[in-house]
Amino acid sequence: NAGVTQTPKFQVLKTGQSMTLQCAQDMNHEYMSWYRQDPGMGLRLIHYSVGAGITDQGEVPNGYNVSRSTTEDFPLRLLSAAPSQTSVYFCASSNGRLETQYFGPGTRLLVL
Amino acid sequence: GQSLEQPSEVTAVEGAIVQINCTYQTSGFYGLSWYQQHDGGAPTFLSYNALDGLEETGRFSSFLSRSDSYGYLLLQELQMKDSASYFCAVFNNAGNMLTFGGGTRLMVKP
Repeated sequence: NAGVTQTPKFQVLKTGQSMTLQCAQDMNHEYMSWYRQDPGMGLRLIHYSVGAGITDQGEVPNGYNVSRSTTEDFPLRLLSAAPSQTSVYFCASSNGRLETQYFGPGTRLLVL
Repeated sequence: GQSLEQPSEVTAVEGAIVQINCTYQTSGFYGLSWYQQHDGGAPTFLSYNALDGLEETGRFSSFLSRSDSYGYLLLQELQMKDSASYFCAVFNNAGNMLTFGGGTRLMVKP
């Protein structure tokens, strides 16, 4: 099992550009989520999904969209990048035990 | 909403015991989780307490007191590789969103 994979590992964007961060898991987990982590801080939930076709907002959803067309994939879209979105983005998944989340390696995003 | 407080930094020497505290406020409580994150790495799950008391997993133990809204992570026989950030986390009252504390950076010195 590859677990949770994320691409790209690192990305530089200009203000106003859009892009999609990819996340995939091969553990057949129903629950998937996206977090952002700013330097020296904890993780903040952006969006989450409890199954294919179902998504909901977390603490900091503004400026981001998600979709969940399959169990395996949960992409995060930045609509119009802003410098405030410079961060490390982690995707996570879990089975029925939501307290145990498996994190991907992260995507480091720099918005200029 | 939820809020969690942890010390920002803790320093200890190799072989010692260290305790990382976490106090929380939440409208509905499902349990307290702990995660470890090495610099440049992803968070990894360490432990979960749903009930009061101590849970032991090897060198790591986690404690919860629901009446005090307080928990801690205890690391014994510290090793250099334990240098990392440690996060406590709780669920929202619907049980579908995990909120993380700001993290405690543990530095283990020789």
